[in-house]
Amino acid sequence: AQRVTQPEKLLSVFKGAPVELKCNYSYSGSPELFWYVQYSRQRLQLLLRHISRESIKGFTADLNKGETSFHLKKPFAQEEDSAMYYCALSLYSWGKLQFGAGTQVVVTP
Amino acid sequence: DVKVTQSSRYLVKRTGEKVFLECVQDMDHENMFWYRQDPGLGLRLIYFSYDVKMKEKGDIPEGYSVSREKKERFSLILESASTNQTSMYLCASSQLPGTGGYEQYFGPGTRLTVT
Repeated sequence: AQRVTQPEKLLSVFKGAPVELKCNYSYSGSPELFWYVQYSRQRLQLLLRHISRESIKGFTADLNKGETSFHLKKPFAQEEDSAMYYCALSLYSWGKLQFGAGTQVVVTP
Repeated sequence: DVKVTQSSRYLVKRTGEKVFLECVQDMDHENMFWYRQDPGLGLRLIYFSYDVKMKEKGDIPEGYSVSREKKERFSLILESASTNQTSMYLCASSQLPGTGGYEQYFGPGTRLTVT
């Protein structure tokens, strides 16, 4: 069965410190992975997808098929990065996504 | 700009009531989804629809049904609301895979409280 694991429920970091959100997946096929973000009082939105290989708001994520991981990283956290982050795996079935439990990031000044 | 709207931001219902949650998207997307969002559990798929009148069960369909009579509208129905259905409900839409990727666009959510 497909599964997405985000081991940290809460991540508290200081402004300017590096932040890494962990995401591990189990999937027998060729995965397509995403990070979604939900800022306070805003709707859930796509942050980045692995296939684009892009950096959004200073965040990057590399797919490591050997370790079945898709960790999200930012070298210098900002207060506006405080949000709930979800890792998601495409199930290749009508565009369905399997979401992880989410990681709440709190950036303190 | 994709817009997904949900009929209510907050809803309070009594146990046993029939509850309708409405979702409308304006981007002519084929796929529409209903999730519930609970702390520590993430987003769990209740139902999704890939075409008008077509639907498939997600991971937690028990106690819910859906209706899609028009492409832009997807309704979630709680046949007899129970307290364990108190949650945040999110609607989303997307194009079919292959025509623009798998990005899902979300509505603002409906926080349902069942007393």
